[in-house]
Amino acid sequence: AAGVIQSPRHLIKEKRETATLKCYPIPRHDTVYWYQQGPGQDPQFLISFYEKMQSDKGSIPDRFSAQQFSDYHSELNMSSLELGDSALYFCASSLGGRGNTEAFFGQGTRLTVV
Amino acid sequence: DAKTTQPPSMDCAEGRAANLPCNHSTISGNEYVYWYRQIHSQGPQYIIHGLKNNETNEMASLIITEDRKSSTLILPHATLRDTAVYYCIVRPNNAGNMLTFGGGTRLMVKP
Repeated sequence: AAGVIQSPRHLIKEKRETATLKCYPIPRHDTVYWYQQGPGQDPQFLISFYEKMQSDKGSIPDRFSAQQFSDYHSELNMSSLELGDSALYFCASSLGGRGNTEAFFGQGTRLTVV
Repeated sequence: DAKTTQPPSMDCAEGRAANLPCNHSTISGNEYVYWYRQIHSQGPQYIIHGLKNNETNEMASLIITEDRKSSTLILPHATLRDTAVYYCIVRPNNAGNMLTFGGGTRLMVKP
């Protein structure tokens, strides 16, 4: 079965650079979520989109922005990168926005800021 | 979301049942109990969820007490691949998957 695809799987950037992470949800899923997991920490919710509109916002820094496109894929744009942005970034998708459904997570993008 | 309390770690022998408890004494009537797990550095994986009735799927069983203040996730025959951090999450029906991960149980399945 098709799963959530994230690219790239690994990314190394220097401080103050910009990074773009991509997420391709499971076919027909209309909702995507972004999570950040720092070293030794639990995943933290950043932001979500339903039908191309932002639906919920968590602890996402102002330096980050995200959007969901007409084909339902999503991109997380991160600017002025800091060392503390080094983390695993997970995307998840589900069907039906805020409905009572489970989320399926991708394998994540490991971002290292040097 | 209601607060949950889980033991920080548990061990289980391979082939035996793993019973993971979760306390959610402040749960309200419209809140569901969800279980996810995260195998080391992989994306979290949905396991099961329920409202008040016991639930079973191909991965696990979820037993919710009658007063709904606690629940137990049961992995009937634990394998080494079940070693992971297990998260019990309580959230309202209309909250989507804005999940709050925290305080999970690190289950170690040993041969």
